[in-house]
Amino acid sequence: QVQLVESGGGVVQPGRSLRLSCAASGFIFSDYAIHWVRQAPGKGLEWVAGISYDGINKDSADSVKGRFTISRDNSKNTLYLQMNSLRPGDTAVYYCARTQCSSLSCRANWFDPWGQGTLVTVSS
Amino acid sequence: EIVLTQSPGTLSLSPGERATLSCRASQSVSGSHLAWYQQIPGQAPRLLIYDASSRATGIPDRFSGSGSGTDFSLTISRLEPEDFAVYYCHQYGASPWTFGQGTKVEIK
Repeated sequence: QVQLVESGGGVVQPGRSLRLSCAASGFIFSDYAIHWVRQAPGKGLEWVAGISYDGINKDSADSVKGRFTISRDNSKNTLYLQMNSLRPGDTAVYYCARTQCSSLSCRANWFDPWGQGTLVTVSS
Repeated sequence: EIVLTQSPGTLSLSPGERATLSCRASQSVSGSHLAWYQQIPGQAPRLLIYDASSRATGIPDRFSGSGSGTDFSLTISRLEPEDFAVYYCHQYGASPWTFGQGTKVEIK
């Protein structure tokens, strides 16, 4: 079945870096755009970044621009989020979520399915 | 950026009752590119509705979505015990993709 599994979360000090991974299975990973969405403890959902099927087109939220980089390795069916200069406000569960099409600008860009999430805690 | 405002913040209802959730956008959502998700505590969000009114695969027909432009709604015709959760609307018509702040449907 279609599945997304995140990993790489943990506790990290402010200013340090962390890389999250999202392993995909059950579908042709290289056919789809895919995104990262986060949820701070007890709060709502916030879109973080998205990447097109071929890794060429990327977009990210202003709150992480210049600090976070989204990338993918289609040969490994894996999505990444490189997070640098982490802040306490980045503390959240990070989900990867697939869209229904290949580009970031297509019509069918709703998120389904979602992974189970990985918790990132930024604290000294 | 399109800001989505959901109301009410909390809805207190009994099983069997009808729930109507609202999502208002700060500007028109192109192509009615609006989705609804359900989130149970400790779980990932689950897609319910896409393109404002299309039910996702496997979603019971007691869930329905409607609306266009700036005003959208999600209706649960008869609440089942498993429907008590938080619901989010999401627009994917323009970057940055944005979510509403959520409506909690709780047992009265």
